[in-house]
Amino acid sequence: DAGITQSPRYKITETGRQVTLMCHQTWSHSYMFWYRQDLGHGLRLIYYSAAADITDKGEVPDGYVVSRSKTENFPLTLESATRSQTSVYFCASSERGYEKLFFGSGTQLSVL
Amino acid sequence: QKEVEQNSGPLSVPEGAIASLNCTYSDRGSQSFFWYRQYSGKSPELIMSIYSNGDKEDGRFTAQLNKASQYVSLLIRDSQPSDSATYLCASSGSSASKIIFGSGTRLSIRP
Repeated sequence: DAGITQSPRYKITETGRQVTLMCHQTWSHSYMFWYRQDLGHGLRLIYYSAAADITDKGEVPDGYVVSRSKTENFPLTLESATRSQTSVYFCASSERGYEKLFFGSGTQLSVL
Repeated sequence: QKEVEQNSGPLSVPEGAIASLNCTYSDRGSQSFFWYRQYSGKSPELIMSIYSNGDKEDGRFTAQLNKASQYVSLLIRDSQPSDSATYLCASSGSSASKIIFGSGTRLSIRP
């Protein structure tokens, strides 16, 4: 199906483990974004990408790594998960960085 | 200071009344502004975008932008229980390459 898909939908992990959240879009949008959502904070931008092989930090990048070798994929890796990274993670894409965002369904991550 | 600020609410409005949601932003070079609605457990969905000063109307929704005051608002007329959700204000900032969100305002429409 066309659109933007995130996997897994739910993930439970332990502190110190590496976790990768996947994001795939079929629209060939140039821009892709990762946000985290915590109660009282709205959506906070972690990393974004303007094109393949171009990534940049957002508001809260510490503890996260991204890559974008192909336009359609934008994985987010927590190199050593901490409890403070327990959150709901949303991936989004857009044709241009200042236009409407299309969101995935989100990944609910719990770090124990 | 966050780039985009909203009152977290909750804002309680009687059914049929006008709900008024407000947002301020700090980057004077911001060009694009958005209002997203998010139901509990769901992804945000765009309801309004506005790029120039003044009002923009779409059905029961009106977005208002005042760049001099760095202020964006959303009015919802004839509020319905289905409007109960969290409303997120967002801006592209002057970089025009990323979208920054406020913390959201929780709106509750009481019958």
